[in-house]
Amino acid sequence: NAGVTQTPKFRVLKTGQSMTLLCAQDMNHEYMYWYRQDPGMGLRLIHYSVGEGTTAKGEVPDGYNVSRLKKQNFLLGLESAAPSQTSVYFCASKTGERLEGYTFGSGTRLTVV
Amino acid sequence: DQQVKQNSPSLSVQEGRISILNCDYTNSMFDYFLWYKKYPAEGPTFLISISSIKDKNEDGRFTVFLNKSAKHLSLHIVPSQPGDSAVYFCAASAWPGTGNQFYFGTGTSLTVIP
Repeated sequence: NAGVTQTPKFRVLKTGQSMTLLCAQDMNHEYMYWYRQDPGMGLRLIHYSVGEGTTAKGEVPDGYNVSRLKKQNFLLGLESAAPSQTSVYFCASKTGERLEGYTFGSGTRLTVV
Repeated sequence: DQQVKQNSPSLSVQEGRISILNCDYTNSMFDYFLWYKKYPAEGPTFLISISSIKDKNEDGRFTVFLNKSAKHLSLHIVPSQPGDSAVYFCAASAWPGTGNQFYFGTGTSLTVIP
């Protein structure tokens, strides 16, 4: 049972390039989330999905797009990368149960130069 | 605006002593709280939770205390072990809320000195 898998684990982009981060979960979770972690800022929500085919904006959505075409996958896209998007990105998923927490992936470290 | 705050970025404790990590929140609608532990180059992992109907929850060496009137929770680790050295995040969710999401604090880096 792999849980939540994020690919790639590391990536260096040049300013203006685009890329897609993939999150895959095998726990049949309804809810999926993308967070970014920056020093002194904690974990901030970028976008989330409450089920297949749905997406919604979080706290810091600008510069990112997401898609959830399949229940098990949640993709985070950067159309034109900027140095401010240098961060560690975490994907998380959870069931619909109210009193349960997230399962996180191991993260993607992205550097934009 | 940060709704969940961890005002101590770091904490050092001797092995065997108690570690106390603190967390404050501002949203009175928060009613479920969790602590996550994060090692370098890994994702956060769930540690312990508490709902607002309780003021204490214990799991082995870890105890979480909730003071709703003060909007404050704390994590106690007794006794502290070197393997507890990690970043600890507190998180909260509200009911009703949107997207079943959790709001995270900025984290406290705990170092347990052997």
